[in-house]
Parts: sequence; structure tokens; C-alpha cells
Amino acid sequence: EAGVAQSPRYKIIEKRQSVAFWCNPISGHATLYWYQQILGQGPKLLIQFQNNGVVDDSQLPKDRFSAERLKGVDSTLKIQPAKLEDSAVYLCASSRQGVGEQYFGPGTRLTVT
Amino acid sequence: GNSVTQMEGPVTLSEEAFLTINCTYTATGYPSLFWYVQYPGEGLQLLLKATKADDKGSNKGFEATYRKETTSFHLEKGSVQVSDSAVYFCALSDPLNNAGNMLTFGGGTRLMVKP
Repeated sequence: EAGVAQSPRYKIIEKRQSVAFWCNPISGHATLYWYQQILGQGPKLLIQFQNNGVVDDSQLPKDRFSAERLKGVDSTLKIQPAKLEDSAVYLCASSRQGVGEQYFGPGTRLTVT
Repeated sequence: GNSVTQMEGPVTLSEEAFLTINCTYTATGYPSLFWYVQYPGEGLQLLLKATKADDKGSNKGFEATYRKETTSFHLEKGSVQVSDSAVYFCALSDPLNNAGNMLTFGGGTRLMVKP
């Protein structure tokens, strides 16, 4: 069984630029999560999808962050415009039907200069 | 709201030493508790879990017991190996306090095991 795939693995941009991250969950997993992990801290949930609907986006900074999962499979997370404090690792995870173990991808390390 | 507090690292041990990483939590409901491990350059992996009070999760020689009376879920291993060097995260999922299966993580504890 293939794991959660993410790309790119690394990205360096200047502040005020835009960036997008892509996630492909484990096949058959209905629930997809995006977490932000700032250096030295634990991951923090940004948004959770169940199929192509949003379950929880209460911690997503909606003035600059957006996410979609149009066909209930792949997802993209976008930041526009980026700020220095957005430098972090962005983790994607998936699980079956919103319960049970979450499987994490390798993450995308974003550096904003 | 929910929160998880872990002991700060790094924790540096010699091979075959006993490991304890402390974790305490605050939750309004009856959470499930988890330990995740993150090896260098890799994503988070579930190490073990416990879903109710007094349950003991175990995997790869690691153990943790869900203690409701002390709101704790301390991670232990009797004899660590160099290959256990990683960052360990304690986390909880509280279905009564969030719409989905959201995990609330502690800050992580880096373990370094020296030969």
C-alpha cells in the first residue's frame, strides 16, 4: 500500500509571493488533514476534509491560506501572499472515514525569506 | 480547550539505558491518546495508542499507560538503541470536543541515543 505523497519536498520563496503544496492520500482514505509544524513545535491542524467537504478549518488563516479537495482525493494547500512566519513544514495526513490512525506524508518544508 | 504538555528535550541517553518521556494532557471529554515518532527526514509515524483509562499501548519495546487520575500518558522503554534516536510527539484526539478526528500535539521531545 502506497503511503501519503506530498510535493514538493522543499520550497524557498520570498515574502509576498504565493506557493502551493500538493497531497495525494492513501487510496480509499476519505479523510484528509493539513497540519502546520513550526520548527520546535508540534503539528497544528489547519484544515480537515471528509471526502471533498470541509469538516474543520477553524485554525486556517483564511485571509492568506486556502485549500481544496475537489474530487475527494488529491488536495492542494495555497498560501498567498506568504509571510515570514509561514516558514514551517506542512504535513498532510489521511485516515479512513475520520476515525482511527492518521497516516502522515513526509511533509513540505517551506522557507519564506 | 485541549492541550498536551511534554517534557522538553533533548533527552540524551546511552545505549541500553531506560527511557521515560513525560506527557500530560488537558481535555474536556474522554480522549484517545497517542505517541507518534518522527525519524530524521521522515514523516510522523504512529508508535502506540490507548483509547480508554488504564489501557496500555505498546510497540517496538515502547509502552505507555493511559492514567486518567493523573491525566498522563508517559512513554517508557527499558533499553534504548541508537536507532531510537528521533523526535517523539504525544497527542490526543477528543471526539467530544471537535467535529472530526483532529489530533492535538505536544511540542515534541528529541531523543538522542549514544553508542
